[in-house]
Amino acid sequence: KAGVTQTPRYLIKTRGQQVTLSCSPISGHRSVSWYQQTPGQGLQFLFEYFSETQRNKGNFPGRFSGRQFSNSRSEMNVSTLELGDSALYLCASSGRGDSIPGELFFGEGSRLTVL
Amino acid sequence: GQNIDQPTEMTATEGAIVQINCTYQTSGFNGLFWYQQHAGEAPTFLSYNVLDGLEEKGRFSSFLSRSKGYSYLLLKELQMKDSASYLCAVRDPQGNTDKLIFGTGTRLQVFP
Repeated sequence: KAGVTQTPRYLIKTRGQQVTLSCSPISGHRSVSWYQQTPGQGLQFLFEYFSETQRNKGNFPGRFSGRQFSNSRSEMNVSTLELGDSALYLCASSGRGDSIPGELFFGEGSRLTVL
Repeated sequence: GQNIDQPTEMTATEGAIVQINCTYQTSGFNGLFWYQQHAGEAPTFLSYNVLDGLEEKGRFSSFLSRSKGYSYLLLKELQMKDSASYLCAVRDPQGNTDKLIFGTGTRLQVFP
């Protein structure tokens, strides 16, 4: 089956702008999670969506938001970008039918650079 | 709170064995994962432990001791392609979520 697809792969923004990242999960997966990855902090959990509802949320400011559509595709938005938002944003999907409960399947990420 | 510790970097020689340790402090336990991530690529699943003991999968094995809050990933017959970051993660014990709590990762460099 096709993997998790994230777009765009790379983008450059300036401080104060906003950005929207997109994620298409593995077909049949209803849960989509987002993580921020930086060299010093590792993977930090942003939020999780299941059936269009936010099921869990990490400790990020309100500038970070997301949503999930009826086809399970998800988007995340970061408003009023700051230099510290430069990171790799990873999307992961999971499904109850998988053999290992909670196993996440990751996309290749969207690398955001804020200048 | 939840905390996961693993060494930042390790080096090893091709053909050797390396053990990457991970300790965790969480309020409850619901499974532990190891992922591999090559530079510029997505993390990929390596192993899963939910009961104490050793899980073996080819050259890779993972061990769990729930009473000690401890796991390790054992890589045998190291190859150059094993140079990557290895991420230890525990599943959020709060239920009804697939959230994983990650350590900062261990960067392994394999030298010829």
